[in-house]
Amino acid sequence: EVQLVGSGGGLIQPGGSLRLSCAASGFTFTSYAMSWVRQAPGKGLEWVSTISDSGGSTYYADSVKGRFTISRDNSKNTVYLQMNSLRAEDTAIYYCANKSPLEFLQHWGQGTLVTVSS
Amino acid sequence: DIQMTQSPSTLSASVGDRVTITCRASQSISSWLAWYQQKPGKAPKLLIYKASSLESGVPSRFSGSGSGTEFTLTISSLQPDDFATYYCQQYKTYLWTFGQGTKVEIK
Repeated sequence: EVQLVGSGGGLIQPGGSLRLSCAASGFTFTSYAMSWVRQAPGKGLEWVSTISDSGGSTYYADSVKGRFTISRDNSKNTVYLQMNSLRAEDTAIYYCANKSPLEFLQHWGQGTLVTVSS
Repeated sequence: DIQMTQSPSTLSASVGDRVTITCRASQSISSWLAWYQQKPGKAPKLLIYKASSLESGVPSRFSGSGSGTEFTLTISSLQPDDFATYYCQQYKTYLWTFGQGTKVEIK
């Protein structure tokens, strides 16, 4: 069974930093690109970032480019999202998901809540 | 960026109804479209990929169609478990984009 367990969320002041983690199991981690998608309270889904299976390629939404960094540790089956210069509009549930070789987001984690507020 | 527009935003229906949700892309995305179902407090769940391919384990009452810029998700006979919010998503090019969602409510 595929499991994606996110962690690292919490309450952080504007301008602060936070690192999210997503631990994967139940599939061959090194064969899958991984993504982060967020959902602001009461709003729709917004793709944030994707990293290739090797970690050699990364992609970002314009809204987070230059502030967020996605990375992965294939020895730990874990993907990370380093979030810097956080803003109130970054408040959201952050979901990690694996990207099928056919390009769609196949399995999603339970999400971790990030609240940016003073 | 490719914009995805869903209609309607909210849909009221009864158990047993046939339900259709439309998703339009601002430019052609071929068949690079997925549909997800999300229930309150839960993560999204993949239903359909490549516009019309049913994900394993998803009931056959769900179907998808379309290509280019216009797509539909159809639920042939709405069941109590299907009351949820549905999102389309294009994955033709980064930046991936989602529709704004369609909430299917009990009539």
